[in-house]
Amino acid sequence: EIQLQESGPGLVKPSQSLSLTCSVTGYTITSGYDWSWIRKFPGNKMEWMGYISYSGSTNYNPSLKSRISITRDTSKNQFFLQLNSVTTEDTATYYCARSGWGVMDAWGQGASVTVSS
Amino acid sequence: DIQMTQSPASLSASLGETVTIECLASEDIYSNLAWYQQKPGKSPQLLIYYANSLNDGVPSRFSGSGSGTQYSLKINSLQSEDVSIYFCQQNYDSPWTFGGGTKLELK
Repeated sequence: EIQLQESGPGLVKPSQSLSLTCSVTGYTITSGYDWSWIRKFPGNKMEWMGYISYSGSTNYNPSLKSRISITRDTSKNQFFLQLNSVTTEDTATYYCARSGWGVMDAWGQGASVTVSS
Repeated sequence: DIQMTQSPASLSASLGETVTIECLASEDIYSNLAWYQQKPGKSPQLLIYYANSLNDGVPSRFSGSGSGTQYSLKINSLQSEDVSIYFCQQNYDSPWTFGGGTKLELK
């Protein structure tokens, strides 16, 4: 059974970078699928942020394109989110997920991140 | 981006009742529509994909329908464990986009 687990700081200062790790067990991220980051803002709005594919290519939401980077460490079966120049509007719960053709069929438990000085 | 408008934003229903949640896309998404359930304190879980295909392990009281720009999620015989927030999401065109969510509560 696949499991995904997010980890990273829960508090980030404005203008700094947000960095999260998604550790995957039960499936090898180079075997198939895309590996996405999604966030849920206070008030329930959900935003797909981007993905890294099993082959290593990336696809980002244009609304974030200048600030986002998704990378991976295949030796550890992990993928990562970096979001630069954060503001308070980036306060959200961040989820990693396995996605196939844009359908997210397995999700992590979520990591709450607050941007505040 | 394709805009997804979900209604209602909140819904109160009794045990055993049938409820329907609607999702309207800003353009034809050719049935590339998924529904997710997020129970309190949990992460979202995939219920339905391609508008009407039930994900493995999802109870048969859940069903999806629709085409073009209009889609719906129906829950027959509402159970207490169905109290959740439900989201629709289009996967026709990147960036994938979500509806605003429907909070389902028991009356």
